[in-house]
Amino acid sequence: SAVISQKPSRDICQRGTSLTIQCQVDSQVTMMFWYRQQPGQSLTLIATANQGSEATYESGFVIDKFPISRPNLTFSTLTVSNMSPEDSSIYLCSVYGSTPVGNEQFFGPGTRLTVL
Amino acid sequence: GQQVMQIPQYQHVQEGEDFTTYCNSSTTLSNIQWYKQRPGGHPVFLIQLVKSGEVKKQKRLTFQFGEAKKNSSLHITATQTTDVGTYFCASVTSGTYKYIFGTGTRLKVLA
Repeated sequence: SAVISQKPSRDICQRGTSLTIQCQVDSQVTMMFWYRQQPGQSLTLIATANQGSEATYESGFVIDKFPISRPNLTFSTLTVSNMSPEDSSIYLCSVYGSTPVGNEQFFGPGTRLTVL
Repeated sequence: GQQVMQIPQYQHVQEGEDFTTYCNSSTTLSNIQWYKQRPGGHPVFLIQLVKSGEVKKQKRLTFQFGEAKKNSSLHITATQTTDVGTYFCASVTSGTYKYIFGTGTRLKVLA
């Protein structure tokens, strides 16, 4: 299994500002994933972060708005830039882990962002 | 693109009643995973199904993968208040390593 921590756990920000979310994993992993979960909604994949290369973004998400860093195999950051109230969401990082029951995704506790 | 729909969106049951959520895809799925997210928590993996027609049980939970591998179900027998949360199915996007999540079913159990 993988233990994932995220900082901050929550924040309230003013529109137009940026917030960087940190994700730390207790083991080395190749791929890390960033998801957004808007209130009452499902999880939407923002991007995949691979160490040593640029992140791969999903349709509807761009690097200018959500720059991602992946400096090593245990750490990643997601920045939410030039925030607006529509960015209010929970942001989750996740990794794959191989277990006896299959490849499961382990999620961090999430960062609850409110933009005023 | 690939979409995975879940029904119902919400379900309120009396404690002790059974509950079922269904996951449907328009395309054939290579596998299906189920996750549970407690209120205020993050998704936690429950199970993975791979084979056509596969059925797996975890105590009061029964998971099934359809014969055509386009749908799946999660059935909870005799619900308890600890079952409260949102249940998501998820499947890997065809040809990639990325999982897409279903729309989720939010379960409320009334004591």
